[in-house]
Amino acid sequence: GEDVEQSLFLSVREGDSSVINCTYTDSSSTYLYWYKQEPGAGLQLLTYIFSNMDMKQDQRLTVLLNKKDKHLSLRIADTQTGDSAIYFCAESIADNFNKFYFGSGTKLNVKP
Amino acid sequence: DVKVTQSSRYLVKRTGEKVFLECVQDMDHENMFWYRQDPGLGLRLIYFSYDVKMKEKGDIPEGYSVSREKKERFSLILESASTNQTSMYLCASSQSGVKLFFGSGTQLSVL
Repeated sequence: GEDVEQSLFLSVREGDSSVINCTYTDSSSTYLYWYKQEPGAGLQLLTYIFSNMDMKQDQRLTVLLNKKDKHLSLRIADTQTGDSAIYFCAESIADNFNKFYFGSGTKLNVKP
Repeated sequence: DVKVTQSSRYLVKRTGEKVFLECVQDMDHENMFWYRQDPGLGLRLIYFSYDVKMKEKGDIPEGYSVSREKKERFSLILESASTNQTSMYLCASSQSGVKLFFGSGTQLSVL
């Protein structure tokens, strides 16, 4: 599959901003996604961005896409303890719309 | 909201057993997927299906097979379970390949 890379851990204090980063290799990505997985649960789609966009904001979440550097980030403003989870970056590829490629996930730990 | 239901939350099986993991979606999605999730490896695609009776191998199909007799149901079969198939299995569905919706997962332990 395609390479989607993320750092494994991030620790922040409650009320701070969290920034989770992701890099991908395929320049023909159509959509890029952020999924959240809480302990013992499946993955929940948080937000996604079309590859010709630079930014998308949804309440506390801001997604930034740098297509030149193949870099995607998720910023969570005013991080809460309920945001503690694993966050997965994913991409879907233009020439294979049925396939999604996932990173290994970033475990976000929010300290009170 | 889309609902993807996996029949078992936890399963414990013995080496050599035949194991069926069932997944049902209620939104008439054409595409269904089976992933396994292992710590540090993220999600790896086992098989997917884009229509009834159609299936495609993903990145790690060895040791697995699938069945899609009805549009809403996609089954993952371990013909002879082995200990290295102990994992979290996630089913997902999508329409037009834009968004994936996941079930809550089945944690399979093979002893």
